[in-house]
Amino acid sequence: AQSVAQPEDQVNVAEGNPLTVKCTYSVSGNPYLFWYVQYPNRGLQFLLKYITGDNLVKGSYGFEAEFNKSQTSFHLKKPSALVSDSALYFCAVTLSGGSYIPTFGRGTSLIVHP
Amino acid sequence: EAGVTQFPSHSVIEKGQTVTLRCDPISGHDNLYWYRRVMGKEIKFLLHFVKESKQDESGMPNNRFLAERTGGTYSTLKVQPAELEDSGVYFCASRSTVSNTGELFFGEGSRLTVL
Repeated sequence: AQSVAQPEDQVNVAEGNPLTVKCTYSVSGNPYLFWYVQYPNRGLQFLLKYITGDNLVKGSYGFEAEFNKSQTSFHLKKPSALVSDSALYFCAVTLSGGSYIPTFGRGTSLIVHP
Repeated sequence: EAGVTQFPSHSVIEKGQTVTLRCDPISGHDNLYWYRRVMGKEIKFLLHFVKESKQDESGMPNNRFLAERTGGTYSTLKVQPAELEDSGVYFCASRSTVSNTGELFFGEGSRLTVL
């Protein structure tokens, strides 16, 4: 079975400060990892993914994430937060070579204060 | 290119009634997924189609839920009869089969409220 944990329901950060949204995963094999963002009344939008290769992956809107195999983590980061980054963020995992059904976390609400 | 579209965006029904949700995936996407999110909880997998075939329906809660994808294009998810615990946001997503590492493209969701 595969699972995702997003330990924080909400993350608050001041505009201009760095942000981190945490994600840990469990999967029996090599993972494919994803971050999605959901703005109010919208569907989920893809931000970035880790498939293989460099542990640091860069995505849309200046976001990046670091894959850490030993800690089974895939934290989302951004060096300088914007108020417009305020949204709901979901981490997802699926098993490479498997049936490709991503398992999602419960989401983390990011609030960036002006 | 049109995205994934879902209808209705919001449905309010009474317990015992029937509701049918529709999803139109991105044209040419063979893979179609249904997920559900209950307020504040994780987005839970319901089922996965490849073209018109159900590949995995292990997430369907019970036999009150019926999903179809006739002709391998749009899909419907029927809940009959609806119960209070069926309330939530139902997301549809599609993915191309060309890439085995591609991301899912999501619709805006259908919010179901069962009173």
